[in-house]
Amino acid sequence: AQSVTQPDIHITVSEGASLELRCNYSYGATPYLFWYVQSPGQGLQLLLKYFSGDTLVQGIKGFEAEFKRSQSSFNLRKPSVHWSDAAEYFCASFRSNDYKLSFGAGTTVTVRA
Amino acid sequence: DVKVTQSSRYLVKRTGEKVFLECVQDMDHENMFWYRQDPGLGLRLIYFSYDVKMKEKGDIPEGYSVSREKKERFSLILESASTNQTSMYLCASSLAGTSEAFFGQGTRLTVV
Repeated sequence: AQSVTQPDIHITVSEGASLELRCNYSYGATPYLFWYVQSPGQGLQLLLKYFSGDTLVQGIKGFEAEFKRSQSSFNLRKPSVHWSDAAEYFCASFRSNDYKLSFGAGTTVTVRA
Repeated sequence: DVKVTQSSRYLVKRTGEKVFLECVQDMDHENMFWYRQDPGLGLRLIYFSYDVKMKEKGDIPEGYSVSREKKERFSLILESASTNQTSMYLCASSLAGTSEAFFGQGTRLTVV
């Protein structure tokens, strides 16, 4: 069963506008959470990760994500999108009890000029 | 830098063939994973391993098997390839406890 859900399949955003990508996880304990990005024809690159502590985590390329236990969410945000942010974004969770690393179905981001 | 190497970038195989996809990592990672990536479905976990000779089924293990005889190598085996196994296959590895995974470049397998 899918333990990570990304509700948005595709998002289109104007360059310079803000971006928020949603991610929900299902796991009794707090999992380790990640956001990865995959540009066309490229491999997966880690944007940021949450293990514990401060619920707002900063990543590379100006991205940040906020862990909200009450909503089982780990949404990714960027205040001002650049054309180079057009890519597919994947949320992932790692369960420490069985070592399983699961991914969501991904959200494709299109940036319009 | 961590390096995860998949033996082939592109493979074309015939229906019914036995196919081996190889993955090697050079950072002494305990955990290794095999995924397939299909449009609209994201990365689906096929098998994973948290130690040598250990293997666990992921979400879609049917039609696949794995082998981990050495810590650095994790092989995915398609016992009898079928056209619905045409996909991009991604291997990943991570240290025990940290769980940040590093990915190979992927193998695009076409079964004809």
